[in-house]
Amino acid sequence: KAGVTQTPRYLIKTRGQQVTLSCSPISGHRSVSWYQQTPGQGLQFLFEYFSETQRNKGNFPGRFSGRQFSNSRSEMNVSTLELGDSALYLCASSFNGRAADTQYFGPGTRLTVL
Amino acid sequence: GESVGLHLPTLSVQEGDNSIINCAYSNSASDYFIWYKQESGKGPQFIIDIRSNMDKRQGQRVTVLLNKTVKHLSLQIAATQPGDSAVYFCAETLNDYKLSFGAGTTVTVRA
Repeated sequence: KAGVTQTPRYLIKTRGQQVTLSCSPISGHRSVSWYQQTPGQGLQFLFEYFSETQRNKGNFPGRFSGRQFSNSRSEMNVSTLELGDSALYLCASSFNGRAADTQYFGPGTRLTVL
Repeated sequence: GESVGLHLPTLSVQEGDNSIINCAYSNSASDYFIWYKQESGKGPQFIIDIRSNMDKRQGQRVTVLLNKTVKHLSLQIAATQPGDSAVYFCAETLNDYKLSFGAGTTVTVRA
């Protein structure tokens, strides 16, 4: 079974631009979560989607948004990029998103904002 | 090489020795605790999890211990191998669909 895939793997943008990242979950998984990883803040939860609905959201500004499609694939968007948005963005999928469901992570998208 | 009790950001261990990685979690109401391993250039990889109603769980070469009294979690790796070199994260969840991660411990295995 194929793992979680994320595209693109690397991205360079400039301040003020916007970016869209994509995540394809493991086949059969309906929950997709997004995390931001930086050296200073570590791994921080962004949001989680299940059946095209956002069920939980972390403490990030409204510039960070996401959506999920009927095939469970998910995208996240960051608008008006800031230098501090440079990070590794990780997507994780699980069957139902419950605590007992193992979350499987993709390799991440490395975003650099110049 | 082992560290007991305190969370350390780095841990150096001799190949073949046992490793102990510690983590202090924040929420006494957390229901599940998970250990992840992250190698350079990769996403976190699930190692083992434990439910809050347990105090020990064993996997292949790994054991997780949970002490709810002091909100402490540890991961023991038996016979540490070079492939165990990575950053190890503990995570907790309240069954609200999100994981809260600890700061991570970088494990380096010496040949």
